[in-house]
Amino acid sequence: DAGITQSPRHKVTETGTPVTLRCHQTENHRYMYWYRQDPGHGLRLIHYSYGVKDTDKGEVSDGYSVSRSKTEDFLLTLESATSSQTSVYFCAISERRDREAFFGQGTRLTVV
Amino acid sequence: AQSVSQHNHHVILSEAASLELGCNYSYGGTVNLFWYVQYPGQHLQLLLKYFSGDPLVKGIKGFEAEFIKSKFSFNLRKPSVQWSDTAEYFCAPKSPNTGNQFYFGTGTSLTVIP
Repeated sequence: DAGITQSPRHKVTETGTPVTLRCHQTENHRYMYWYRQDPGHGLRLIHYSYGVKDTDKGEVSDGYSVSRSKTEDFLLTLESATSSQTSVYFCAISERRDREAFFGQGTRLTVV
Repeated sequence: AQSVSQHNHHVILSEAASLELGCNYSYGGTVNLFWYVQYPGQHLQLLLKYFSGDPLVKGIKGFEAEFIKSKFSFNLRKPSVQWSDTAEYFCAPKSPNTGNQFYFGTGTSLTVIP
C-alpha cells in the first residue's frame, strides 16, 4: 500500500465546531485529493491540490477549505461542522495528473 | 462527476455467474481509465487500468475490462464471480480535458450469494 496516513480515523464532533482532517503521504506525489463518500452518491471530490500552495475546488466544496503548505500534508477543514457533513472522508494521492490515485484508509466523521 | 456513468447501481449474482459492469464516460480525446474496488469497511484499491495499447486489459483477481473508444465505454468483466468479490466497484476516467480533477462514477454494489 502507498504511504498514506489519514488522521484521525474516527471523530465525533458537535454542530458548529471547526474540524480539521489530516492527510499525510510519504510518496512525494504531487497531486492530492479529498473526497467524501455517502450512500447513493459514490465518491465526490471536495478539493484537490496540484502542488504546494496550489489547490482548487471540486464538486462539493461549500463549507470546506484546504491547505497544503508541504508536499506531504494536505489538510481539510470544516469551518463550522453541520450534520450534512457526517460522512466518510478519503484522501488520495497521485504522482501525475493522468495516473492512478492511491487512497488512504479514510476518516469517519460524525457531526451531532 | 456527471461525465462518468455507471449504469448498474446494485447487482446480485450467485457464485460462478459471469459479471459485467458498465461504465461510460463523456470525455473526448485522450483518456486513461481505471476501475477500483472497495471491500466492505475498507478503502478503495486499484483493480485495473488502461493507458493505451491492447483495449482488453487484465487486472487482479481475474478481472478484466475492455475499452471501446467508439462507445466511450470501459466495462468490467469477470467470467466467474466468487463470494469474496462482494464489494463496491468504481469506474474512473482521467483526461487532460478535466484538468487536475479526478472524478469517480457513483459506483456499483455487487453482492455475490454463495
